[in-house]
Amino acid sequence: QSVLTQPPSVSGAPGQRVTISCTGSSSNIGAGYDVHWYQQLPGTAPKLLIYGNSNRPSGVPDRFSGSKSGTSASLAITGLQAEDEADYYCQSYDSSLSGFWVFGGGTKLTVL
Amino acid sequence: QITLKESGPTLVKPTQTLTLTCTFSGFSLSTSGVGVGWIRQPPGKALEWLALIYWDDDKRYSPSLKSRLTITKDTSKNQVVLTMTNMDPVDTATYYCAHTRAEWELLWNYWGQGTLVTVSS
Repeated sequence: QSVLTQPPSVSGAPGQRVTISCTGSSSNIGAGYDVHWYQQLPGTAPKLLIYGNSNRPSGVPDRFSGSKSGTSASLAITGLQAEDEADYYCQSYDSSLSGFWVFGGGTKLTVL
Repeated sequence: QITLKESGPTLVKPTQTLTLTCTFSGFSLSTSGVGVGWIRQPPGKALEWLALIYWDDDKRYSPSLKSRLTITKDTSKNQVVLTMTNMDPVDTATYYCAHTRAEWELLWNYWGQGTLVTVSS
């Protein structure tokens, strides 16, 4: 199982707001490491969506936002659109062992 | 414009060694802070980080797979090569290479399209 825990699925109607949680521990998110989010559209490679907990790369709509608190982080999507239907992954860094990059198990967003 | 592309065999037999090549453009692996890593995704499952090599030849490996992995770079050819020994059917996955622009960011800025590797006799 993944080091970071995400809900397997979330859903929402067009125009609604949904949130996806990402829970870690004291050796990753709780240790102060940033959380990043990736969007993986069906059949494609992941794409960086949010970096440094709450920053959007150029070209990412402001409907997408991120936050972090303690050992958890969240991705919020407002004004849901059909093209937002995808898998979303959180990612951080874990300082245990020799240190390594960790991902969440992924959350499938369904736009109803 | 940064692009990465993975290449290698689509089918390997159990116990064989897998060799994957990532060919990239739009950046140099001799630039301070830059790195290229490998991440895999079994069909229908989550992403798993495998290895990373930085501009200064600093190499990092997943603790659970360290004994099976080797990552190298050829800066002149803009390529990074990953080898994984003793392949098993559970290693069937899409393998991605990805770019990181700064060591302190600890994230993946750009990804290749991925290559599906099936392990079967």
